[in-house]
Amino acid sequence: NAGVTQTPKFQVLKTGQSMTLQCAQDMNHNSMYWYRQDPGMGLRLIYYSASEGTTDKGEVPNGYNVSRLNKREFSLRLESAAPSQTSVYFCASSGGLAVQETQYFGPGTRLLVL
Amino acid sequence: GDSVTQMEGPVTLSEEAFLTINCTYTATGYPSLFWYVQYPGEGLQLLLKATKADDKGSNKGFEATYRKETTSFHLEKGSVQVSDSAVYFCALGGSQGNLIFGKGTKLSVKP
Repeated sequence: NAGVTQTPKFQVLKTGQSMTLQCAQDMNHNSMYWYRQDPGMGLRLIYYSASEGTTDKGEVPNGYNVSRLNKREFSLRLESAAPSQTSVYFCASSGGLAVQETQYFGPGTRLLVL
Repeated sequence: GDSVTQMEGPVTLSEEAFLTINCTYTATGYPSLFWYVQYPGEGLQLLLKATKADDKGSNKGFEATYRKETTSFHLEKGSVQVSDSAVYFCALGGSQGNLIFGKGTKLSVKP
């Protein structure tokens, strides 16, 4: 099993450009998440999807949109990239939203916005 | 709101030394607690977890006990190896089903 996969691995954007980060999981999980990781900040939740067809804002949603395309795929879109969005982005999935559920993480996408 | 505080690093140890990484939390209710590990260039992996007070999570020689009275979940290992060099994150299960992370502690183990 591949688990959680993310594409691309690395991307450089200019300010104002748009891009979509892709995430897919093959564990038949209901819930999926997008986090960003910044130095000294830990990981912070951007958006999550409790189940197919639903999405909700997390701690830091401004400047991002998401789409839960189907049960497997959850994409993150930056409509107009800003240097403050330079970060490492992680997608994760879990069986559900219960607080004891383990989340499984992808390898991350490193994004640099110039 | 819910939060996690863990000791700041970096932590540098010699091989076979004893490791403790402190983690305390603030939360309403009774959250599950987790330790995740991130090896260089990789995503996060679950190391261990505990879902209720006095539970002990353990994996690969690492242990942590859920202490409700001190709101703590300290990570320990009796004898670290070079291969344990990584960043360790303490986290709690938030009400939205998300994880609330500490800032991470970088561990370097020297041979």
